[in-house]
Amino acid sequence: ETGVTQSPTHLIKTRGQQVTLRCSSQSGHNTVSWYQQALGQGPQFIFQYYREEENGRGNFPPRFSGLQFPNYSSELNVNALELDDSALYLCASRGGQGTGFPTDTQYFGPGTRLTVL
Amino acid sequence: QKEVEQDPGPLSVPEGAIVSLNCTYSNSAFQYFMWYRQYSRKGPELLMYTYSSGNKEDGRFTAQVDKSSKYISLFIRDSQPSDSATYLCAPSPDSWGKLQFGAGTQVVVTP
Repeated sequence: ETGVTQSPTHLIKTRGQQVTLRCSSQSGHNTVSWYQQALGQGPQFIFQYYREEENGRGNFPPRFSGLQFPNYSSELNVNALELDDSALYLCASRGGQGTGFPTDTQYFGPGTRLTVL
Repeated sequence: QKEVEQDPGPLSVPEGAIVSLNCTYSNSAFQYFMWYRQYSRKGPELLMYTYSSGNKEDGRFTAQVDKSSKYISLFIRDSQPSDSATYLCAPSPDSWGKLQFGAGTQVVVTP
């Protein structure tokens, strides 16, 4: 088990609603990334936070937003939910900003399963 | 076009068989390649990585990179039911640490 935790485990929302997902990083990790994994697909990068600043973003619309707190925990907020937002949302933390070396391993949490009806 | 392509499977094999998983990539600049394993209802975990210049063996697992054909492989020898999972390939991240994953191949090892 990694030290990355996520809450809630799963939730159901209806189209148009807003949702907040939470992530607690592994101790000592100051970088957190969020990924969306649709059924049968690999995880897709949403964005990354380093020391409370967003420093990388994937091809996701602005209604996907996030926060990182001084204790390096993080939130993912999604507004105006759409049916296609149904997916597993993964949080990953690591200790560096992205050195490009495999030792800067990202540790993934178990994910939050979001269903939009 | 995605930079990493992977056959999603599923791949069903009997216990003890060799499992062969493959990905293709398009960017020659990738420095190394990783394989992640994802059990049901869990997040991905790094299984092993291989630099683009060679092979790597770790117990029953062997990862290979063929730069000429931009092809990476993962072999699982003497497969066990506990190897049943989705296996994701990913090239080295960009300078920000962003990972790109293949679609993942679901492997089912039957007793």
